[in-house]
Amino acid sequence: QVQLQESGPGLVKPSQTLSLTCTVSGDSISSGSYYWSWLRQPAGKGLEWIGRSYINVSPNYNPSLKSRVTISLDTSKDQFSLNMTSVTAADTAVYYCARRQRWKWYFDLWGRGILVTVSS
Amino acid sequence: IVLTQSPGTLSLSPGERATLSCRASQSVSSNYLAWYQQKPGQAPRLIIYGSSSRATGIPDRFSGTGSVTDFTLTISRLEPEDFAVYYCQQFGSSPWTFGQGTKVEIK
Repeated sequence: QVQLQESGPGLVKPSQTLSLTCTVSGDSISSGSYYWSWLRQPAGKGLEWIGRSYINVSPNYNPSLKSRVTISLDTSKDQFSLNMTSVTAADTAVYYCARRQRWKWYFDLWGRGILVTVSS
Repeated sequence: IVLTQSPGTLSLSPGERATLSCRASQSVSSNYLAWYQQKPGQAPRLIIYGSSSRATGIPDRFSGTGSVTDFTLTISRLEPEDFAVYYCQQFGSSPWTFGQGTKVEIK
């Protein structure tokens, strides 16, 4: 059974960098079968897609966050990560990792999410 | 592409029919439109993909229709476990976007 699990600090200071990791268990990131995405959801609000990565392909980011975001894959650990620089209180949200199968147009598997609070 | 869902909140009783709307600011291929259900404290769960195909394990009281810019999710007879927030999402154009959600609450 494939699972995704987010991990990282739950509290980040303003202007610092938010770093999260998603661990994929039960599958291999390097299989080439899936795109790996990060999304977020501020409390009481809707979902925002942050970006996605795929093996041996440049990541694709939401233009609203592109200047601050990097998504990378670590195939040796079956993990993918999110780095977001210069965070503010507006970046406080639950962050989800999710996967989308190639040629399928939906997210079929999500992590449970991790709450990240930006505060001094 | 901006997705606008209506209504914002739907207050219904178990057994009633729920009709949720998702309107896109520009044309979206029906292949690229999905619906998700989200309950408090949980990640979204795929309900419908390709605008009308039910995901694995989703009961047939859930159905999706629509094309171009207008899409609908219908729950034929609400069960207690169906009360949740529903989001539509498009993959037709990057950045992939979601609607703001429709909350289906118990009346």
